Amino acid sequence: DSGVTQTPKHLITATGQRVTLRCSPRSGDLSVYWYQQSLDQGLQFLIQYYNGEERAKGNILERFSAQQFPDLHSELNLSSLELGDSALYFCASSLSGPPLHFGNGTRLTVT
Amino acid sequence: GIQVEQSPPDLILQEGANSTLRCNFSDSVNNLQWFHQNPWGQLINLFYIPSGTKQNGRLSATTVATERYSLLYISSSQTTDSGVYFCAVQGDMRFGAGTRLTVKP
Repeated sequence: DSGVTQTPKHLITATGQRVTLRCSPRSGDLSVYWYQQSLDQGLQFLIQYYNGEERAKGNILERFSAQQFPDLHSELNLSSLELGDSALYFCASSLSGPPLHFGNGTRLTVT
Repeated sequence: GIQVEQSPPDLILQEGANSTLRCNFSDSVNNLQWFHQNPWGQLINLFYIPSGTKQNGRLSATTVATERYSLLYISSSQTTDSGVYFCAVQGDMRFGAGTRLTVKP
């Protein structure tokens, strides 16, 4: 068990809808990272937060947004969902930088 | 940005065999991790190894940062070693495409 908690484990929704994925980092970790794993794109870095502030941005679509709250948990919001957004979404945490510890992921299916 | 290439893309072994997985990167790095994604999709942290050599049981890893590669060694493979092995580099951990390992009984 990595200590990183992601909810929900599975999510099924329709195109055009909006969903929120939640991540609780390991105790003591200040950084949270979000990744998307799809069949055709592999594991893609989306965004990193450190102690509530955005630190790095990767291939995150404008329809997606994230934030890290004062209690350090993070949420990834996905809106106007498309079929291609179906993927496994991972959250990882670290004290500051690497090494990263990953949660078990949220599997999103858009129908 | 930095490019990460892993080889081979697929590897099939008999139980008990040894294997070497390779990760090449296009620029110098100061962070590198190896992960195992098991058949249930979980990403397991194997090694944080920006340089040098580490060992953990039947697994070991070596990173030669000056030559821009890292190697993951699996000895006496078991069926539970099956899955996809990823290396990831740099601060935001850019992932390679992975090596899919299948260990047959």
